[in-house]
Amino acid sequence: GEDVEQSLFLSVREGDSSVINCTYTDSSSTYLYWYKQEPGAGLQLLTYIFSNMDMKQDQRLTVLLNKKDKHLSLRIADTQTGDSAIYFCAESPPVGYQKVTFGIGTKLQVIP
Amino acid sequence: GAGVSQSPSNKVTEKGKDVELRCDPISGHTALYWYRQSLGQGLEFLIYFQGNSAPDKSGLPSDRFSAERTGGSVSTLTIQRTQQEDSAVYLCASSFKTSGRYLPMYQETQYFGPGTRLLVL
Repeated sequence: GEDVEQSLFLSVREGDSSVINCTYTDSSSTYLYWYKQEPGAGLQLLTYIFSNMDMKQDQRLTVLLNKKDKHLSLRIADTQTGDSAIYFCAESPPVGYQKVTFGIGTKLQVIP
Repeated sequence: GAGVSQSPSNKVTEKGKDVELRCDPISGHTALYWYRQSLGQGLEFLIYFQGNSAPDKSGLPSDRFSAERTGGSVSTLTIQRTQQEDSAVYLCASSFKTSGRYLPMYQETQYFGPGTRLLVL
């Protein structure tokens, strides 16, 4: 079945860039997402990318997709302490209902 | 409402008791999802509703788990005879619509509630 993998933990200094990586197995994935979960809160959609795109930029966020390697990354420029959270990578297939498969989440710690 | 709401926000119960968790989706969202987030684990899909029907119940861990949705809106997830391993955060999400064809992103995106933290003692 579908599988999404990501590292568990990332620590960066405030002001540096953060890069969170994710790999997925479903070659038919059409939508690829990044969600953010702050402590005690639900998941918030940060950004998404279609599988026919290589890159998407949205303010401090840059998503890169290597479809050949099934690798997705999220780059956060000028990381702030408010960016400390768990970041989930997720993917969904192109047809049928939106059964989204989530990764385990990467906990980002921003050191002041 | 403005977003997906869930109640209660926290629930502590004794092993063997039944619990009901409630989800109020965003108004107009026809699709509703339940997930479970256990400590140190990712999101585990439990069940999906399209309207009042549940075409995919494949994620329910056992027959102690059931869910219903009435009026195409509120959904209740019921766990009978709770066990300690049921302790987790139960998240609900809703989306505008699902179908077998491509839709604009805003219709496909799942919006999550804050979750119910369940602790079974």
